[in-house]
Amino acid sequence: AQSVTQLGSHVSVSEGALVLLRCNYSSSVPPYLFWYVQYPNQGLQLLLKYTTGATLVKGINGFEAEFKKSETSFHLTKPSAHMSDAAEYFCAVSDRAQETSGSRLTFGEGTQLTVNP
Amino acid sequence: ETGVTQSPTHLIKTRGQQVTLRCSSQSGHNTVSWYQQALGQGPQFIFQYYREEENGRGNFPPRFSGLQFPNYSSELNVNALELDDSALYLCASKASGGYNEQFFGPGTRLTVL
Repeated sequence: AQSVTQLGSHVSVSEGALVLLRCNYSSSVPPYLFWYVQYPNQGLQLLLKYTTGATLVKGINGFEAEFKKSETSFHLTKPSAHMSDAAEYFCAVSDRAQETSGSRLTFGEGTQLTVNP
Repeated sequence: ETGVTQSPTHLIKTRGQQVTLRCSSQSGHNTVSWYQQALGQGPQFIFQYYREEENGRGNFPPRFSGLQFPNYSSELNVNALELDDSALYLCASKASGGYNEQFFGPGTRLTVL
């Protein structure tokens, strides 16, 4: 079974500071990895994904994440936080064998990011 | 291109009632998944539909059921509602194959009293 652990349910940074949101996963097979953002009273928006190839992936709004197989991690970073980044962020994992297992996403519990002026 | 839409946006029911939630998938997407997101938690996978058949189910009881229609839209039905069913219900659609990139709708907020 797959699982995701997000370290830190709440992260607070100052505007302009580095954002680092941590995600570790457990999977018996090489997974697909995703970061989603959720603004209040809205659905989930895909920030970025890792599927294969280059381990540093870039997403929307200046976010990027690095897949580290040896550490089973997929941490999300942004060099300079903006007030509009305040939201909840979810890391998710899925199996590559979608044909037999369906394409379920397994999510972490989420990290609430606060950006202080 | 129209994204994933869900209806209604909010719903209040009482314990023991039945509810139907609806989802229209994004244009060109033939696979729909449903997730339950309780307050303060991450979404939990309920089930997925592909070509009008259930193709994968999470740890939810049989009173959670669904349908997918020929136009790929979908319904989630919940019978015998319980207080713990209060949550945001999210629908996501994807195209077949690819890297499992799922696109989410805005959700339906269900409150069970």
